[in-house]
Amino acid sequence: DAKTTQPTSMDCAEGRAANLPCNHSTISGNEYVYWYRQIHSQGPQYIIHGLKNNETNEMASLIITEDRKSSTLILPHATLRDTAVYYCIVRATGLSGNTPLVFGKGTRLSVIA
Amino acid sequence: NAGVTQTPKFQVLKTGQSMTLQCAQDMNHEYMSWYRQDPGMGLRLIHYSVGAGITDQGEVPNGYNVSRSTTEDFPLRLLSAAPSQTSVYFCASSYSRHAGGGAEAFFGQGTRLTVV
Repeated sequence: DAKTTQPTSMDCAEGRAANLPCNHSTISGNEYVYWYRQIHSQGPQYIIHGLKNNETNEMASLIITEDRKSSTLILPHATLRDTAVYYCIVRATGLSGNTPLVFGKGTRLSVIA
Repeated sequence: NAGVTQTPKFQVLKTGQSMTLQCAQDMNHEYMSWYRQDPGMGLRLIHYSVGAGITDQGEVPNGYNVSRSTTEDFPLRLLSAAPSQTSVYFCASSYSRHAGGGAEAFFGQGTRLTVV
């Protein structure tokens, strides 16, 4: 079972920031939060991941609450090409390696012109 | 680098036929996995491998076999195709360990399988 809860769908105006929430209230200490997206029927694409600190890369920012029970993915200036299904995944890592990526149903983000 | 290559891209099978979906990666990744995605659904893990000679079951392994004889290849075999196996199949690869827990997974473009 997926360990995360996401809204089914969201809309965002083009050029505005898209804020996608994720709840992971049962996250363990060795679990990271990952975000992937899937555009149309293509293979999923990695966006960003984090443990407890906020993270930023060229695609997005990840804000993780202090208790780590929820997070928000921020696309600072959404474009039409950001229309996709966004998946929030928690994944453990340890001495024996990473556990598999288990996908939930994700959030369908529609960027509107 | 070609990344993750899946073949074929499209396939139609008759019920009861067998076939192998191919997946190859040229990034020297230890970790490879197979997912299926039914219409309107998220991806479900079928089988995965953390290295050559090691495989394990995922969420929906029934009806599928895998083997991992080399680091580069991770074929998925359908033993006796059923209409319920009509789906899009994705293969992924990544490093099994990475500093900071990161192990970005790279996905292939998918194999669209129809069983009639």
